[in-house]
Amino acid sequence: GQQLNQSPQSMFIQEGEDVSMNCTSSSIFNTWLWYKQEPGEGPVLLIALYKAGELTSNGRLTAQFGITRKDSFLNISASIPSDVGIYFCAGETGANNLFFGTGTRLTVIP
Amino acid sequence: DAGVTQSPTHLIKTRGQQVTLRCSPKSGHDTVSWYQQALGQGPQFIFQYYEEEERQRGNFPDRFSGHQFPNYSSELNVNALLLGDSALYLCASSRVTGGSYNSPLHFGNGTRLTVT
Repeated sequence: GQQLNQSPQSMFIQEGEDVSMNCTSSSIFNTWLWYKQEPGEGPVLLIALYKAGELTSNGRLTAQFGITRKDSFLNISASIPSDVGIYFCAGETGANNLFFGTGTRLTVIP
Repeated sequence: DAGVTQSPTHLIKTRGQQVTLRCSPKSGHDTVSWYQQALGQGPQFIFQYYEEEERQRGNFPDRFSGHQFPNYSSELNVNALLLGDSALYLCASSRVTGGSYNSPLHFGNGTRLTVT
């Protein structure tokens, strides 16, 4: 079955620093999504990518859909304390049938 | 405009029992998907309901079943509970945008199920 590996597993950064995380898969996906999850809440969609090579921004967040369709990365610029949480990548097979990565836990030190 | 709502928020059950979890989709959404999230892991797809029928299913045993009502709300039922069923159960909704395509998922805050 599909396996999505995210790296790094966790990050501790100073407020104001940029963050980069990525996701690789053993399978091809037609859609990549990035979600953020905070304690006690469900995942919240950050960015959706629909085309290989696509680069999309949402405020301080930028994500890219890899050319091979087997990888994606997410960058966060100028991190702030409210960026704390777990970031998940997800590849979509059937409609809304998502395979989630293992998550990257981000801690921002003020 | 209410988002996805789930009930109850927490539940404790004993091995062998049965449980029913409930979900109301976001206004305007017609498709409901259920995910299981074990501690420290990403969510795993259980199944999806559209037009009151199961449209897709992940790799979960038949002990996991569901239902969708005419008002688009949904239930997840788990029979013969095992200790390993302890997890956060997430409901997510979307709407069909054409053909086999759906809008991105909006997740609820989940039901935390503990099986003792």
